[in-house]
Amino acid sequence: GAVVSQHPSWVICKSGTSVKIECRSLDFQATTMFWYRQFPKQSLMLMATSNEGSKATYEQGVEKDKFLINHASLTLSTLTVTSAHPEDSSFYICSASEGSNEKLFFGSGTQLSVL
Amino acid sequence: QKEVEQDPGPLSVPEGAIVSLNCTYSNSAFQYFMWYRQYSRKGPELLMYTYSSGNKEDGRFTAQVDKSSKYISLFIRDSQPSDSATYLCAMTPSGGGNKLTFGTGTQLKVEL
Repeated sequence: GAVVSQHPSWVICKSGTSVKIECRSLDFQATTMFWYRQFPKQSLMLMATSNEGSKATYEQGVEKDKFLINHASLTLSTLTVTSAHPEDSSFYICSASEGSNEKLFFGSGTQLSVL
Repeated sequence: QKEVEQDPGPLSVPEGAIVSLNCTYSNSAFQYFMWYRQYSRKGPELLMYTYSSGNKEDGRFTAQVDKSSKYISLFIRDSQPSDSATYLCAMTPSGGGNKLTFGTGTQLKVEL
């Protein structure tokens, strides 16, 4: 299957700092990328849908100014957690698809711990 | 009621057993059905991708979709300890590259 690379795999930061997570599609062009967060023993919660060249669409309850998403190219989307706080600590996962009729592939996830 | 229901488990089976994992759903518009496997602290890995009703087999894995009953299954034959993971069902009305609705996941443990 297609490869989606996510970096970093884990990050520890101080409260109040910002953290950027990168998601790259390595062998295909991703017109759409999705960002999820996952708490222990729970399923994936969709945060936002990112389309190349346009503004991201955020799910209800997700603060767009808190979680900045940039999808500047067909192979790269970034999620920036601004002014992170301990409650933002979670496992963040991106996914990408070559098109709406294609399969969805996931990155390996990023464990964020905010101290 | 959730759109997709999945027994969270944990499900514990001996090595070599046949495992049956299931999801039920309420939205009759769902047309594409997927099964993902997720190891702890890793991203989900796509195992099976099916459209509409029917069966699909890939190695030790078989996916079944019964749209009339709004019920999907994943069977794992000759289960191995390496199959120990959380299995997530997912579905969408349109293609798999669109927004998916996930089940809560079933935690499976295959014991030696």
